[in-house]
Amino acid sequence: EPEVTQTPSHQVTQMGQEVILRCVPISNHLYFYWYRQILGQKVEFLVSFYNNEISEKSEIFDDQFSVERPDGSNFTLKIRSTKLEDSAMYFCASSSSDRAPYNSPLHFGNGTRLTVT
Amino acid sequence: DAKTTQPPSMDCAEGRAANLPCNHSTISGNEYVYWYRQIHSQGPQYIIHGLKNNETNEMASLIITEDRKSSTLILPHATLRDTAVYYCIVKRGSGNTGKLIFGQGTTLQVKP
Repeated sequence: EPEVTQTPSHQVTQMGQEVILRCVPISNHLYFYWYRQILGQKVEFLVSFYNNEISEKSEIFDDQFSVERPDGSNFTLKIRSTKLEDSAMYFCASSSSDRAPYNSPLHFGNGTRLTVT
Repeated sequence: DAKTTQPPSMDCAEGRAANLPCNHSTISGNEYVYWYRQIHSQGPQYIIHGLKNNETNEMASLIITEDRKSSTLILPHATLRDTAVYYCIVKRGSGNTGKLIFGQGTTLQVKP
């Protein structure tokens, strides 16, 4: 069964450094998402991406964050200057467009654990 | 998007049916009910979704009341591997980018 894959599974970085989290969505999917989950807290929506542009973003997704689909397979989340509070699990998700996006389930990867020291 | 209310935790005996309730009394006509689960900080896993009719797949059944104000996820024969946090999410139809908004969910503990 096709799945969303994320790399790396764990990334440690120093405060102020840039990080790029990578995702390979399911191949025929056209809607892409990033979520994060701080330890012990809820899964939080960050951003949705469709047709090579951001379609929606949350208040968390400030100027320090950016997303890109550099080629036909990868979807990346960049954090320009990491802060301690960016430490979290980051989940990528994708959904297909053969049905309307509200009637199409999101499929999630198993996440990248980001630790900012 | 309509808010949902779920019990914070439930227990179920292994091999028995697990019935997880969800209240979504403010749901509107074009909103879908989705169920996901998260096993020990893995990525959320899609289980099932529906609009009005009851739905069944290989994982579970979804029973939606006629007034659509509540629903129940049924795992027919719970196993220890079904221990997880279960999320009931209402997703708005039309004009939606497809995002899901997660609440706190129900922690289901399946006991031997």
